[in-house]
Amino acid sequence: NAGVMQNPRHLVRRRGQEARLRCSPMKGHSHVYWYRQLPEEGLKFMVYLQKENIIDESGMPKERFSAEFPKEGPSILRIQQVVRGDSAAYFCASSKQRETYEQYFGPGTRLTVT
Amino acid sequence: LAKTTQPISMDSYEGQEVNITCSHNNIATNDYITWYQQFPSQGPRFIIQGYKTKVTNEVASLFIPADRKSSTLSLPRVSLSDTAVYYCLVGLLNTGGFKTIFGAGTRLFVKA
Repeated sequence: NAGVMQNPRHLVRRRGQEARLRCSPMKGHSHVYWYRQLPEEGLKFMVYLQKENIIDESGMPKERFSAEFPKEGPSILRIQQVVRGDSAAYFCASSKQRETYEQYFGPGTRLTVT
Repeated sequence: LAKTTQPISMDSYEGQEVNITCSHNNIATNDYITWYQQFPSQGPRFIIQGYKTKVTNEVASLFIPADRKSSTLSLPRVSLSDTAVYYCLVGLLNTGGFKTIFGAGTRLFVKA
């Protein structure tokens, strides 16, 4: 059973470009979470999604950031017009049940904005 | 979610037992306690979860006193590969608050 997959693992973007991060949850998992981690810091919750629904996006910046989890395909975290402060590791996690803290994390996407 | 306090870092030697304590004075009645482990350049990995008393699995044990205002993650006979950051999380298991809140964690260094 493959784990959570994220791609790309590393992404370099120039300021002003768009970044698209993809996350495929574990098989049978319909709950997806995105987190951001700055160097030497803990993970910060961004958004929680179920298929075709955003359940909680209270951790998402109001501008430039969006997330989706379509009926088919991976979950996408999109960052428009990236700035240097967006450089971070972005982790995706999935869970089978709604009511659980047992989340399975992917390897992360390291975004570098130059 | 209840706020948690952990030591910033700990050192240990191979073969020793390591105990990491987490304080959560404002834990609510329905809150559970969960621990994650994160290696450099990897996503966190679920270790253990409990509500009260003691929970044990193949990786660790979790001790929770009766007042539940703290918890202790116990790693038996650590090895170099246990060097990682350990996060304590406290929150309601079945609630709309699915935004797991990670603090800074405890950086464990295991030496030979």
